[in-house]
Amino acid sequence: DGGITQSPKYLFRKEGQNVTLSCEQNLNHDAMYWYRQDPGQGLRLIYYSQIVNDFQKGDIAEGYSVSREKKESFPLTVTSAQKNPTAFYLCASSPPPGEQFFGPGTRLTVL
Amino acid sequence: AQSVAQPEDQVNVAEGNPLTVKCTYSVSGNPYLFWYVQYPNRGLQFLLKYITGDNLVKGSYGFEAEFNKSQTSFHLKKPSALVSDSALYFCAVRGGDGGYQKVTFGTGTKLQVIP
Repeated sequence: DGGITQSPKYLFRKEGQNVTLSCEQNLNHDAMYWYRQDPGQGLRLIYYSQIVNDFQKGDIAEGYSVSREKKESFPLTVTSAQKNPTAFYLCASSPPPGEQFFGPGTRLTVL
Repeated sequence: AQSVAQPEDQVNVAEGNPLTVKCTYSVSGNPYLFWYVQYPNRGLQFLLKYITGDNLVKGSYGFEAEFNKSQTSFHLKKPSALVSDSALYFCAVRGGDGGYQKVTFGTGTKLQVIP
């Protein structure tokens, strides 16, 4: 099946800990995206990547980091610098400039 | 900077009645516009898009949307609502200063279809 997978589905982080969220796609899309979703605030763009080894900051990049070493993979690290990381995280990919295909999401909770 | 506004946090409609979910946008250049639907604790699913051409676009599950350039709007419509349409709906735009790879979403509108 073609699509986007995200893992884990649920993730718990302790204060001061870095955690990495996985995103993989087999749709052969060049562009990939990370969004954060909080209740009542819609989707906010964290980072996006148009091509391997290149990525740009979105609207709320502080406290997050990404890498794009392979076309299929775009992992997101939530660092200890992100003071309020509890949220639902969504990964997406798209052909340019078409619609985005979303993964099922990862719910991150800070303990 | 590009932006999307969904002025209604929630829309309530009776089953069988027509529904409209509003969206206005601001972007430089020609916009690429999209509607997505989200069910609880799930990712977003694509409904329809406007890239160019006919201002009335048809999408999945009987939804349609009308692009109005003068009013910078892209309202989502359906002639007859179903209870199963109850979900969170997002409007999105590509284009503008970030180029066509940057996508901006509205804050979402919760649609409640009442049996």
